[in-house]
Amino acid sequence: GAVVSQHPSWVICKSGTSVKIECRSLDFQATTMFWYRQFPKQSLMLMATSNEGSKATYEQGVEKDKFLINHASLTLSTLTVTSAHPEDSSFYICSATGTSGSSNTGELFFGEGSRLTVL
Amino acid sequence: AQSVTQPDIHITVSEGASLELRCNYSYGATPYLFWYVQSPGQGLQLLLKYFSGDTLVQGIKGFEAEFKRSQSSFNLRKPSVHWSDAAEYFCAVGAPGGYNKLIFGAGTRLAVHP
Repeated sequence: GAVVSQHPSWVICKSGTSVKIECRSLDFQATTMFWYRQFPKQSLMLMATSNEGSKATYEQGVEKDKFLINHASLTLSTLTVTSAHPEDSSFYICSATGTSGSSNTGELFFGEGSRLTVL
Repeated sequence: AQSVTQPDIHITVSEGASLELRCNYSYGATPYLFWYVQSPGQGLQLLLKYFSGDTLVQGIKGFEAEFKRSQSSFNLRKPSVHWSDAAEYFCAVGAPGGYNKLIFGAGTRLAVHP
């Protein structure tokens, strides 16, 4: 199946710094990517939807200035947590859907997740 | 509003025993339904999905799920659990038209005793 890769898989940073997480589709063109946040032992909460070349659509309650999403190409979306604080510590997961060759896969593929710890 | 309820937070079964994980959804029409599995520290893997047609769907790793419209349920089953099935299982609902924007249940953590 299609592969979605996230980097880094884990990151520790100091409070007040910014952290960038990358989500790449390795063998298909990801026209749409989704960013989720998962707290320990909880479900995935959709943060935002990003379409290549346009601004991300954020879910209610998600601070767009805090969580900057860029989907500049069909294979890469980035999530930047700005001025991170300990409460931003979480597991961030991306997913992507798009096309492979001439086929619209429609299916959603998930990255491995990125664990952020803010000290 | 769409919602997904997984009543069981944690289930423990013995290896070789049968398994049923419950999922109930709330949606105005027939949704697209999914079950995903997540191993510790990993992303999600699709086990199976229901879009339309036969209400009993087969998935990977020997899992199956049955869509019951009258009960708004989409329970996941496996006749004989293996130790490697220990993981977190998420039921999800999506709007008709694709996989795209999914709403996830809280998850059920499965432990398997030898």
